[in-house]
Amino acid sequence: AQSVTQPDIHITVSEGASLELRCNYSYGATPYLFWYVQSPGQGLQLLLKYFSGDTLVQGIKGFEAEFKRSQSSFNLRKPSVHWSDAAEYFCAVAPRGSNYQLIWGAGTKLIIKP
Amino acid sequence: EPEVTQTPSHQVTQMGQEVILRCVPISNHLYFYWYRQILGQKVEFLVSFYNNEISEKSEIFDDQFSVERPDGSNFTLKIRSTKLEDSAMYFCASSIRGPRSGANVLTFGAGSRLTVL
Repeated sequence: AQSVTQPDIHITVSEGASLELRCNYSYGATPYLFWYVQSPGQGLQLLLKYFSGDTLVQGIKGFEAEFKRSQSSFNLRKPSVHWSDAAEYFCAVAPRGSNYQLIWGAGTKLIIKP
Repeated sequence: EPEVTQTPSHQVTQMGQEVILRCVPISNHLYFYWYRQILGQKVEFLVSFYNNEISEKSEIFDDQFSVERPDGSNFTLKIRSTKLEDSAMYFCASSIRGPRSGANVLTFGAGSRLTVL
């Protein structure tokens, strides 16, 4: 069955430290891949996406993600987090040709220590 | 930056009551969607809508649910007779291109939290 796994429910990092949020998917073919962020009271904002081409994609707010086909992973990274990055982060995949039927991970809540 | 707006942000209702959740998609978008997230669970696709009709729907979207675009700007989700298990955050989304036209990106609203008592 198609699924997305975000193994970390919570992650706590110090401000200025680097960040990596993990995402693994189970899917028959390479899907479209997305990372969304949800801040309190805000909608689901798209951080970045992978459709094809370069497997390292750059997003907004200094985030990047790397698609690794061999590991079925699409991990999100940021070299130095800011307190404003505290939010919940969702990985999602969608089948090519039907990319509104997003399959979502459970989310990872990022907590920033001062 | 254009955004999808949803009202109300939070609604509390009694079981069996009808609820209408409203969404104003981005003005030049043509495709509209509803998703929901039950507390502690994953976001789930409910329905997509284009050209005044449902394009696709999930098995969650049963006869208790309906969607409508009553005018040129609003997109509504109606739950006819709410159940306790309808308590969730409901997200509206829109996109300029359709899901089968290639790479597509959805813009989401902030969500409407529905609490059924």
